[in-house]
Amino acid sequence: LAKTTQPISMDSYEGQEVNITCSHNNIATNDYITWYQQFPSQGPRFIIQGYKTKVTNEVASLFIPADRKSSTLSLPRVSLSDTAVYYCRTYNFNKFYFGSGTKLNVKP
Amino acid sequence: EAQVTQNPRYLITVTGKKLTVTCSQNMNHEYMSWYRQDPGLGLRQIYYSMNVEVTDKGDVPEGYKVSRKEKRNFPLILESPSPNQTSLYFCASSLSQGRYEQYFGPGTRLTVT
Repeated sequence: LAKTTQPISMDSYEGQEVNITCSHNNIATNDYITWYQQFPSQGPRFIIQGYKTKVTNEVASLFIPADRKSSTLSLPRVSLSDTAVYYCRTYNFNKFYFGSGTKLNVKP
Repeated sequence: EAQVTQNPRYLITVTGKKLTVTCSQNMNHEYMSWYRQDPGLGLRQIYYSMNVEVTDKGDVPEGYKVSRKEKRNFPLILESPSPNQTSLYFCASSLSQGRYEQYFGPGTRLTVT
């Protein structure tokens, strides 16, 4: 099974960089790692996706080492509005697998 | 506006009373799926559909049914709900399986007493 493991929660302060790591030891060879953000009372929404090395977009960076058994979501200079739950997602045999989510709490 | 809609948003029912949660997408997506979200367990896939008339079990299919008669609709059916099906349910769609971004509905909070 393409299980994923994440820390349950993290605390940070405004302006800091936050790194959330997801472990996915059984990731399929052709699978991409995708991260989602979820606010209370909303469905998850896409943040970033990558296959290997580093990917950057306007909101985050994603680091994936050569063995692809883990990935790290990096949020630069977080603000209070980044307080949310963050999920990593993998895919295997037509099914999607989400981690249990990391609750990020950004403090002023 | 591209979106996934679910109805109802909130539902309180009693054990054994059949119910259906509807899901519809307007993006012509092939892949649709249902998830349940429970504290500490994250999102778990219940059923998925790779196209019309093609459905298959996810990780937690027991007690649920689905159908995909039209591309845009993917209803979730609980024939005989039980209290352990009390949860937050999300429908999602994507262009296809694999690497494609999933678009989620707003969620349906179900309580079974």
